[in-house]
Amino acid sequence: EDKVVQSPLSLVVHEGDTVTLNCSYEVTNFRSLLWYKQEKKAPTFLFMLTSSGIEKKSGRLSSILDKKELFSILNITATQTGDSAVYLCAVADRGSTLGRLYFGRGTQLTVWP
Amino acid sequence: SAVISQKPSRDICQRGTSLTIQCQVDSQVTMMFWYRQQPGQSLTLIATANQGSEATYESGFVIDKFPISRPNLTFSTLTVSNMSPEDSSIYLCSVPGQGIYNEQFFGPGTRLTVL
Repeated sequence: EDKVVQSPLSLVVHEGDTVTLNCSYEVTNFRSLLWYKQEKKAPTFLFMLTSSGIEKKSGRLSSILDKKELFSILNITATQTGDSAVYLCAVADRGSTLGRLYFGRGTQLTVWP
Repeated sequence: SAVISQKPSRDICQRGTSLTIQCQVDSQVTMMFWYRQQPGQSLTLIATANQGSEATYESGFVIDKFPISRPNLTFSTLTVSNMSPEDSSIYLCSVPGQGIYNEQFFGPGTRLTVL
């Protein structure tokens, strides 16, 4: 049973559009939620959200965490073709092996010029 | 964050053979992690490699199939043994960040295709 569910699985937009990617999770003892951007092979770290940091922003990207409703969203404004990638959400559970992350399947974002 | 390199970047192998993937970090780290990403799937943790002790494997992964070495605090290898087409995946190593919240940083990955 998936602990981390992302939606939509894929998304196609045009440059300049704003997109919202969703991540819901179910872990017993939440520690943190992480967003990654994966182009080709390697996931690149974007944000980490914790109980003490539920909102993050970096340029055109922003993310919030709703610990009560167990979900997070990643917003990308004024999208560019370089934003095309798979966006991965991962959750760390305090009860699991230190370092263990549960990943969602990702959202494939395609931005057309 | 640490700089991580992996070799090989990609390989095409015949079934029944074995491939060893190397992961090098530019700083000393206690734990290194090995992940697998099958086509269209999420990242799945294979094992945690600790220096000076046996690797800790996740459910569904065994040492005979995925032996891991961790000879020092900057290097680890993962071997995929007796390969079958189902082993075709991206294999990634990662290391933890400085904080306590489990952020991890990934190497560039190895794309393995088994014929």
